[in-house]
Amino acid sequence: EAQVTQNPRYLITVTGKKLTVTCSQNMNHEYMSWYRQDPGLGLRQIYYSMNVEVTDKGDVPEGYKVSRKEKRNFPLILESPSPNQTSLYFCASSYSRSGTGGETQYFGPGTRLLVL
Amino acid sequence: AQKVTQAQTEISVVEKEDVTLDCVYETRDTTYYLFWYKQPPSGELVFLIRRNSFDEQNEISGRYSWNFQKSTSSFNFTITASQVVDSAVYFCALSEGRNQGGKLIFGQGTELSVKP
Repeated sequence: EAQVTQNPRYLITVTGKKLTVTCSQNMNHEYMSWYRQDPGLGLRQIYYSMNVEVTDKGDVPEGYKVSRKEKRNFPLILESPSPNQTSLYFCASSYSRSGTGGETQYFGPGTRLLVL
Repeated sequence: AQKVTQAQTEISVVEKEDVTLDCVYETRDTTYYLFWYKQPPSGELVFLIRRNSFDEQNEISGRYSWNFQKSTSSFNFTITASQVVDSAVYFCALSEGRNQGGKLIFGQGTELSVKP
């Protein structure tokens, strides 16, 4: 089944404790992206990757890191989480050779993160 | 500047009623793409439809229909004979053709509640 998977689905952590949210897709998509969803703000892009070893900042990259060492995986790293990073996180992927807009992005199931 | 506005924060209807969710967008690009996603109570984001700016033909898929009007910069979504399973948050999103980041710009979402 074609899908985007994320782990963990739910996570409670404390301020400053490094964490990684994994994202994997089995559709051979070149483009992957991370969004966060907050009440009243919709979804906002954190980082994106157009291909292996090619990543760039989205609208709200502060406090996050990403890497793209393999085509299928795009982990989101919070080096020192803070309470304002409490959110619902989505990973997405699409087939996009150029990285320009327009391709349908397929989303993972989401990761609910609570930072105390 | 690019922007998506979903003015209806919450809508409540009774089963079998028709309901229209409004979406107004802003962009300076002549090439752009519009999307609708559904977020049921379980939290995942489900892709519903993608339209490009050169195709103003309305689309119908079962009980769902979409009305794209460039003259009013709107891409409205109608559910005919609504059902309880339609209860969800619905997001309209915009992607610009020249957007190298492939970013989706989301509206704030409309929460639809369908009561039996």
